[in-house]
Amino acid sequence: GQNIDQPTEMTATEGAIVQINCTYQTSGFNGLFWYQQHAGEAPTFLSYNVLDGLEEKGRFSSFLSRSKGYSYLLLKELQMKDSASYLCAVKDSNYQLIWGAGTKLIIKP
Amino acid sequence: DAGVIQSPRHEVTEMGQEVTLRCKPISGHDYLFWYRQTMMRGLELLIYFNNNVPIDDSGMPEDRFSAKMPNASFSTLKIQPSEPRDSAVYFCASRTLGEVGEQFFGPGTRLTVL
Repeated sequence: GQNIDQPTEMTATEGAIVQINCTYQTSGFNGLFWYQQHAGEAPTFLSYNVLDGLEEKGRFSSFLSRSKGYSYLLLKELQMKDSASYLCAVKDSNYQLIWGAGTKLIIKP
Repeated sequence: DAGVIQSPRHEVTEMGQEVTLRCKPISGHDYLFWYRQTMMRGLELLIYFNNNVPIDDSGMPEDRFSAKMPNASFSTLKIQPSEPRDSAVYFCASRTLGEVGEQFFGPGTRLTVL
């Protein structure tokens, strides 16, 4: 079967750094997405990785290791507005998106 | 561009009633997706269209659910008859054919079936 695992919830402090992990087992791999979803709102696109390595975009970075079936989202200089759920999604061999359950990130002052 | 537009934003109905959710994708996007999101089951793909043609409806829970896309700028998701377990947030999303193909989500319709 197809499976994506993420921690259910994480807590971090304003100004700190947090890493949200995602491991996947899918039928094929054609890219991995990270989406942010604030409570009561729609998911919004954050990042995309298709090759191994780190993609940096401002305070957010995303890393991919295809051989390990592993990705992480790194958030630096945390702000209160970063409190949200972070969804990992993998594009499988049929180019279908398989979604993780999401990680709820709580930022404390 | 206004982004993906969904209506209504909130819907409260009674069990047994018909519910119709509407979506206008971003102009020029070839793909349209309908999702359902609940705390218990997360984000679930119900059906998706490519160039107005339904490609995969394996996520549609049962025959009470149907979806149409009569043209490139409009899609509907219908539930008839509705049941309390259908209560969820329903998202519509669209994307282009491009290499990345990130999906752009509408604001969602929060459906409550009493």
